Amino acid sequence: EAGVVQSPRYKIIEKKQPVAFWCNPISGHNTLYWYRQNLGQGPELLIRYENEEAVDDSQLPKDRFSAERLKGVDSTLKIQPAELGDSAVYLCASSLVSGANNEQFFGPGTRLTVL
Amino acid sequence: QQQVKQSPQSLIVQKGGISIINCAYENTAFDYFPWYQQFPGKGPALLIAIRPDVSEKKEGRFTISFNKSAKQFSLHIMDSQPGDSATYFCAASKRGSARQLTFGSGTQLTVLP
Repeated sequence: EAGVVQSPRYKIIEKKQPVAFWCNPISGHNTLYWYRQNLGQGPELLIRYENEEAVDDSQLPKDRFSAERLKGVDSTLKIQPAELGDSAVYLCASSLVSGANNEQFFGPGTRLTVL
Repeated sequence: QQQVKQSPQSLIVQKGGISIINCAYENTAFDYFPWYQQFPGKGPALLIAIRPDVSEKKEGRFTISFNKSAKQFSLHIMDSQPGDSATYFCAASKRGSARQLTFGSGTQLTVLP
């Protein structure tokens, strides 16, 4: 079974430029998460989807960040415009919300560098 | 507010030794405590998890010890191997909110051959 797929794996942009990350969750997983992981830190939740609905986006900086999950499968996270402080690894995870322990499966992440 | 505090930040252990990583939490509503292992360039992967109704859980060389009254839990890696070299994160979650995970800051473990 394929895991969570993310692309691109690496992205280098100049500040003020837009950037987008794509995530394909594990088939059948209806809950999708986007996390940001700063260097030397644990992942921090940005947004959580249940199917196509964003049910928790309280930590998403809405002035520059946006996300969508069309048809409740793939998801895209966008930053516009990017700032130096946005440099981090952006992780996507998915889970079966009905799972007993709701184990989250993480993708490899996209490492963003903003120059 | 850092709800899950993890220590040490880094740990160096000789092959065959015991690695111990500690975490403390503040929110008494947490009722699920997983540990994740992350290799460079990879996403975190679930290693082992515990619920507060037991004080210890063991899976192979990995053991979680849980102290509910102290609000602390720890990961013990017995007979540590160079392949265990990775970053380890403790986490906690509570019912509802699809069990949103709150992660610790991570421990970079290096096992010397």
